[in-house]
Amino acid sequence: EAGVTQFPSHSVIEKGQTVTLRCDPISGHDNLYWYRRVMGKEIKFLLHFVKESKQDESGMPNNRFLAERTGGTYSTLKVQPAELEDSGVYFCASRDGTAGNTIYFGEGSWLTVV
Amino acid sequence: AQRVTQPEKLLSVFKGAPVELKCNYSYSGSPELFWYVQYSRQRLQLLLRHISRESIKGFTADLNKGETSFHLKKPFAQEEDSAMYYCALSTPGNTPLVFGKGTRLSVIA
Repeated sequence: EAGVTQFPSHSVIEKGQTVTLRCDPISGHDNLYWYRRVMGKEIKFLLHFVKESKQDESGMPNNRFLAERTGGTYSTLKVQPAELEDSGVYFCASRDGTAGNTIYFGEGSWLTVV
Repeated sequence: AQRVTQPEKLLSVFKGAPVELKCNYSYSGSPELFWYVQYSRQRLQLLLRHISRESIKGFTADLNKGETSFHLKKPFAQEEDSAMYYCALSTPGNTPLVFGKGTRLSVIA
C-alpha cells in the first residue's frame, strides 16, 4: 500500500513568489490534515479536510494560505505571496473514517523562503 | 486550549542506559495520548498510543492523569533509538493532533 506522498520534497523560493504543495493521501482515507513545523517550534495543525470539505481550518495562519481538496482525493496548499516566516516543513497526514485509527504522515515538504 | 509540553529539546544517553522522555499535557477532559518518532530521513510515524498499553521497540508510556503526564521510557537505550520524538494529544471526536515541540534523543555508543 502506498503511503502519504508529498510533492515537492524541497522548495526554495523568493519572498513574494507563490508555491503550491501537493499531498496525495492513502487511497480511501477521507481525513486529510496539513501541519507545519517552523524552525525550533512545535508541529502545528493547519487544517483538516473530510473528503472535499474543510472540517477545521482554525490553524491557517492568514489568508496567504489556501488549501483545496477538489474531489476529495489529493490536496494542495498554496502560499501566495510567500514570506520569510513561512519557511518550514509542511506535513500532510491522512486517516480513514474510523475514529481512533492511526494517522499516517507524509515525508514533508521543506519550504525555504529567501 | 490543549497543550503538550516536552521540556527537553535534546537528550543524550549512553547505550544501555535507561531513557525517559518527558511529556506533560493540559486538557480538562479525557485525552488520547501518542508518541510519534521520526528517524533520520524517514517520515513521522506512530510509536505507541496510550490506549493500546503495549510496548513497541522496548518503549512504554503510561498515562498519569493525576500528573497529566505521558512520559516515554525504555530501560536500555540502543543506538538505533536515536531520533526525534514527539508527544501528541487528541481529544474525543474527529479532532487533529496537538504536538509538543519534540525531543531529540541521541544514544551514544
